[in-house]
Amino acid sequence: KQEVTQIPAALSVPEGENLVLNCSFTDSAIYNLQWFRQDPGKGLTSLLLIQSSQREQTSGRLNASLDKSSGRSTLYIAASQPGDSATYLCAVRSTSGTYKYIFGTGTRLKVLA
Amino acid sequence: SAVISQKPSRDICQRGTSLTIQCQVDSQVTMMFWYRQQPGQSLTLIATANQGSEATYESGFVIDKFPISRPNLTFSTLTVSNMSPEDSSIYLCSVRAGAGEKLFFGSGTQLSVL
Repeated sequence: KQEVTQIPAALSVPEGENLVLNCSFTDSAIYNLQWFRQDPGKGLTSLLLIQSSQREQTSGRLNASLDKSSGRSTLYIAASQPGDSATYLCAVRSTSGTYKYIFGTGTRLKVLA
Repeated sequence: SAVISQKPSRDICQRGTSLTIQCQVDSQVTMMFWYRQQPGQSLTLIATANQGSEATYESGFVIDKFPISRPNLTFSTLTVSNMSPEDSSIYLCSVRAGAGEKLFFGSGTQLSVL
C-alpha cells in the first residue's frame, strides 16, 4: 500500500531564501507525481507534474525532481517571497492498475517579509 | 487544462441537515473525484463519479451518507447527509485533464456543522 510522507511538516524562512521541500513514497512503481499549493481554506493549485520517466520539471522559480529508486521527490523554491506562503502537497499516482492519487501530509510554509 | 467551478464556497449547517455541493467543469471528463480534507489533515478520496454508472466509493464512505450524482460529462454533485460536527471539513472535487493527466481541483467547500 502506497504511503506518502512530507518533511518538514512546517517551515518558516526569511524572504529571499532558497528552500527545499521533501516528499517520500514507499512504492516506487509510480505513474507520476504532482506537487500542489493550497492556500488556507481553499482548493489545490497544480504546480508541477513529473512523469515516471522524467527526472525533473521546472516552472519559474520552482523546480521539482524525482528519484523513483529511492522513493523521493523534492520541490525547490528559489528566492522565496511572502506570497509563497501556503501549504505544499505532493501526490503520487501508482501503476498498480488504479487511477487514484495518494496525497502526502503537506508542508506548511511561511515566508517572512 | 480544466477549470472547475465549485459551490458553495462555504456553509455553516445544523446537525441532522444535508448539504449538496456542485461542481461544473469547462470540458467533458470521464471521471470526477470527490475528496475530503479534515482539519489539519491531508486529502482523502471519498468516491469517483462516472457518468452513466454508480459512483465508486472508497473504504469508509457509503452512498447513504455521501450520495453522488453525475448526470453528464461536465457536472457532478456530492451530498453530505444527516450531518454531524465530525463532517466539518473541506470538500473538494477534482478531474484529470490535459497532457500527463494532471489533476485539477475546484476551489473547495468549507463546511462547518454545529
